[in-house]
Amino acid sequence: GAGVSQSPRYKVTKRGQDVALRCDPISGHVSLYWYRQALGQGPEFLTYFNYEAQQDKSGLPNDRFSAERPEGSISTLTIQRTEQRDSAMYRCASSLGWDGPYEQYFGPGTRLTVT
Amino acid sequence: AQRVTQPEKLLSVFKGAPVELKCNYSYSGSPELFWYVQYSRQRLQLLLRHISRESIKGFTADLNKGETSFHLKKPFAQEEDSAMYYCALNGNSGGSNYKLTFGKGTLLTVNP
Repeated sequence: GAGVSQSPRYKVTKRGQDVALRCDPISGHVSLYWYRQALGQGPEFLTYFNYEAQQDKSGLPNDRFSAERPEGSISTLTIQRTEQRDSAMYRCASSLGWDGPYEQYFGPGTRLTVT
Repeated sequence: AQRVTQPEKLLSVFKGAPVELKCNYSYSGSPELFWYVQYSRQRLQLLLRHISRESIKGFTADLNKGETSFHLKKPFAQEEDSAMYYCALNGNSGGSNYKLTFGKGTLLTVNP
């Protein structure tokens, strides 16, 4: 079946522009997660949703970053006024649930480059 | 605070040799530990978790709470094992599986 999909796969933007990264989870998956991975580092948690509710946004680095999942399915991570330090791979994952040992399935990632 | 350390950035072995990828963690409670793998041009995927106590693709990992380690081992490496391996920790108790904390990863190369 279809896995987690993310779009765009690659995004190059100029400093100061806003970007929106999209994640389409596996159908029926309740929980959705966003991670950011800088070069040479492991993925770092940003935020997560159960259905449409944002449960934890403690990993968002500052108020330029926001995420939503209005209908409990597709999620958008928005970065306003991008800076060069925002350049990274942004990974989305989804799982069947959260209250148990559910596997997180990852998408292919969006490679963001801010010039 | 929770932290995962993978001391080796790169690990190179020959086919058929044993391989051990090291992972140490720091967490005050009772953690859940995972190994994730990313093969070339593929997405990140779960390899194994400590609560399952299973062997996947010949790999095993034992949680050693005394040494706070969760090393990944395979007795005979294969060329198809070449990949980036990440150790991850879920520090939330009660089985909730979110907010994974990842190590920086180890790139394993298995030479013919």
